[in-house]
Order: sequence, then structure tokens, then C-alpha cells
Amino acid sequence: EPEVTQTPSHQVTQMGQEVILRCVPISNHLYFYWYRQILGQKVEFLVSFYNNEISEKSEIFDDQFSVERPDGSNFTLKIRSTKLEDSAMYFCASSLDRGMAEAFFGQGTRLTVV
Amino acid sequence: QKEVEQDPGPLSVPEGAIVSLNCTYSNSAFQYFMWYRQYSRKGPELLMYTYSSGNKEDGRFTAQVDKSSKYISLFIRDSQPSDSATYLCAMIAGGYQKVTFGTGTKLQVIP
Repeated sequence: EPEVTQTPSHQVTQMGQEVILRCVPISNHLYFYWYRQILGQKVEFLVSFYNNEISEKSEIFDDQFSVERPDGSNFTLKIRSTKLEDSAMYFCASSLDRGMAEAFFGQGTRLTVV
Repeated sequence: QKEVEQDPGPLSVPEGAIVSLNCTYSNSAFQYFMWYRQYSRKGPELLMYTYSSGNKEDGRFTAQVDKSSKYISLFIRDSQPSDSATYLCAMIAGGYQKVTFGTGTKLQVIP
């Protein structure tokens, strides 16, 4: 069964450092998303991406964040200068059609900022 | 008022019981309603989604949406220990891609 894969599974970084979280969406999917879940809190939308541009983003997704599809398979989330409050599980998701109603999530990357 | 409200539980039931999980919401623009299952430290797994009001059944799972009351439910029949997880309701407004999640209800099915 096709799946969304994320690497690394756990990343520890120092405050102020840049991190890149990587995702390989399901191969024929066209829409890509990043969500995050701070420990003990709900899953929160960050950004959606289609046709090589951001289609929707939340207020969380400020100038510190960027997304990119550098080649035909990877989808990345970059955090330029990490803060302690960026510590969370980051989930990538993808869907074939517009809208998340049938999106599939990856297993997540746990980001710990120290 | 929160956009989506969900009782965090935990909810403990004996194996074989019928489980009822619920969410209420305030945004009348929500049109797509989903239920996800999330095991500890794993990504959400889509169980079911429905569009607008009505019922949808898939095996032991039934999803109900009542837009007039802004209330959605997930029923699990013949619950199994493997159903023990956190169940997240989620919603999308028409024309948008942002999913708004509930906080999740932790379910434990006791053998």
C-alpha cells in the first residue's frame, strides 16, 4: 500500500539553527500539506502546496517557515531559525484531489529544539 | 467558543461494547467531516469522511453528521483492544484546504 514517508523520525537541533524536514508524498498525489502537533495539543494546519506554490497557509506559517518541492518526489519544510516553541511533531500529508478529505499522513518527524 | 470541541476522555470500555465518540463545532461553513485514528507517536490515519449531513457506514464504523445541530459522531461496534487509540474529528470548510482538528478522544478497549 502506498504511503507518505518522512525523514528523519526524530531531529534534535539547537535554538537558532535551521532545520529541513523531508517528506516523500504518495507518487501520484498532487496536493501536499504540513501539519504540526505540539505535545498534548491538537493537530494544527501549517500550509498546503499545489503546482509548485503555496495554496493556503495558517497564521502559524510565518516568515520563518518555507516549503519546497525540489524535485519530482520530495516535499520539504524548512524552519530558518528554530525556537523552543517549534518543538513538535511535524506531519506531512498528501492527497490526489483538492482538499484534505482523502489525504494520507506520514508518520511524522519529532522536532526537539534545545 | 472553540471551532471544534471534543471530549478528551479517556474513555474506557470493555471489549465488544459499542463506542460513541462525538464532536461539536461552531463554524457553519464546515462541509467535510472526517474521523482519524492516531496511535501514540504516529500520524493520523483516516478512518472515514462524509460530506454534509447524513450517515456513512464502513464495517464496524458508522459516522453521522447533523449539520443542523453542528454535531458529528463516530460509532464503533464490537470494539476490539486494537481499537485503543486517540480518535480525532476533523472538518473542512467548503472551498478550503485547511483542516481543523478536534483535540482527540483517547479510547481504551479493555479485553
